[in-house]
Amino acid sequence: SQQGEEDPQALSIQEGENATMNCSYKTSINNLQWYRQNSGRGLVHLILIRSNEREKHSGRLRVTLDTSKKSSSLLITASRAADTASYFCATDYRRIIQGAQKLVFGQGTRLTINP
Amino acid sequence: DTGVSQDPRHKITKRGQNVTFRCDPISEHNRLYWYRQTLGQGPEFLTYFQNEAQLEKSRLLSDRFSAERPKGSFSTLEIQRTEQGDSAMYLCASSLSPPLDRVGEKLFFGSGTQLSVL
Repeated sequence: SQQGEEDPQALSIQEGENATMNCSYKTSINNLQWYRQNSGRGLVHLILIRSNEREKHSGRLRVTLDTSKKSSSLLITASRAADTASYFCATDYRRIIQGAQKLVFGQGTRLTINP
Repeated sequence: DTGVSQDPRHKITKRGQNVTFRCDPISEHNRLYWYRQTLGQGPEFLTYFQNEAQLEKSRLLSDRFSAERPKGSFSTLEIQRTEQGDSAMYLCASSLSPPLDRVGEKLFFGSGTQLSVL
């Protein structure tokens, strides 16, 4: 399977703390994306990082990508109760760039922020 | 609301029945995807449309599954002779194809249709 793997599977922290989630994958990628999913809802795109990028920021989110280790991390700073959700990494393994990307999602990290 | 909408939100059916789900993507998006998600797992790719053309299907999509996007706008996913193993959340997503010199596009997901086969 080419599925990415998130670590940890579950994370519980206090409001205001930082949360770090990791994603590992198996083969070369074109891009890696992080999505958030609230219980019973659809996924919301957070950040896309391309294979030639090493770090991206968006508000309280920071994503890093290490292609030599085939891994990525998502850092959420100053966490809030509203950040409680599942977080998924998704990788695009396509060899042919044209055409749709077939994102392969990991199993996700369930993040709980305790008030 | 200009997001991706899916109908119905929930569907309960008996084994052997046919079901059909609808997805209305963001209007200017030319790409539409169907994914399936089971409890505790990430979404799995099922199929993809570029405008009205279905360009790729996953091996997960058995002959009992069919998807259409007749005018390049809304899409339907039909499951014939449902089985208990079809119980899952069916997610639709849309996107705008990126410029040729860019790689990757972000997907906009609907809230999904939760299917329960009894």
